[in-house]
Amino acid sequence: LAKTTQPISMDSYEGQEVNITCSHNNIATNDYITWYQQFPSQGPRFIIQGYKTKVTNEVASLFIPADRKSSTLSLPRVSLSDTAVYYCLVGPQYGGNQGGKLIFGQGTELSVKP
Amino acid sequence: DSGVTQTPKHLITATGQRVTLRCSPRSGDLSVYWYQQSLDQGLQFLIQYYNGEERAKGNILERFSAQQFPDLHSELNLSSLELGDSALYFCASSDGGNPTYNEQFFGPGTRLTVL
Repeated sequence: LAKTTQPISMDSYEGQEVNITCSHNNIATNDYITWYQQFPSQGPRFIIQGYKTKVTNEVASLFIPADRKSSTLSLPRVSLSDTAVYYCLVGPQYGGNQGGKLIFGQGTELSVKP
Repeated sequence: DSGVTQTPKHLITATGQRVTLRCSPRSGDLSVYWYQQSLDQGLQFLIQYYNGEERAKGNILERFSAQQFPDLHSELNLSSLELGDSALYFCASSDGGNPTYNEQFFGPGTRLTVL
């Protein structure tokens, strides 16, 4: 499993765009990049997943360069409620009957201020 | 609400005791995963069950065991508890039928305090 490196913490203000970059130099050909969000004392919540180029959903965008050695989670116009820890995970997709464990790193603690 | 339920929400017990944590996955999900989150270790994968059978094992201690029942709910048994077992224990589930894009649905967790 590829090791990931993220900033430990980030600060932002309401209404700003926040970009969190994750480094994964040893990503394998069949690895996908997945981001989770976790609020204090709650379970992590899936945000977005991608393999290459750009993926966008209703809450975030994920940018992946051609070499796939890094990825950037982009949160548009953050609000106070986006204050949370964000985890970058790298690993293969799996069917449920395979070993689908998720390996969480330290995560990035995002603090959004008014 | 993820659809995954865990009971109890809080559990306080003494060292050397045994406890059972319960998890009900989302309707239709065949896979159940257990994770432990402590301040010094972060989120650690413990074990996965798929349709009643163990599928993957992580950093689970020998004092811990789990099982998944025919109705797909799962229980995590922790015995000979130590102070260091104090943590949040999360259960997650996913759809076992198709590739899941690594999306797991986490429950609210059980906070275990060992005194």
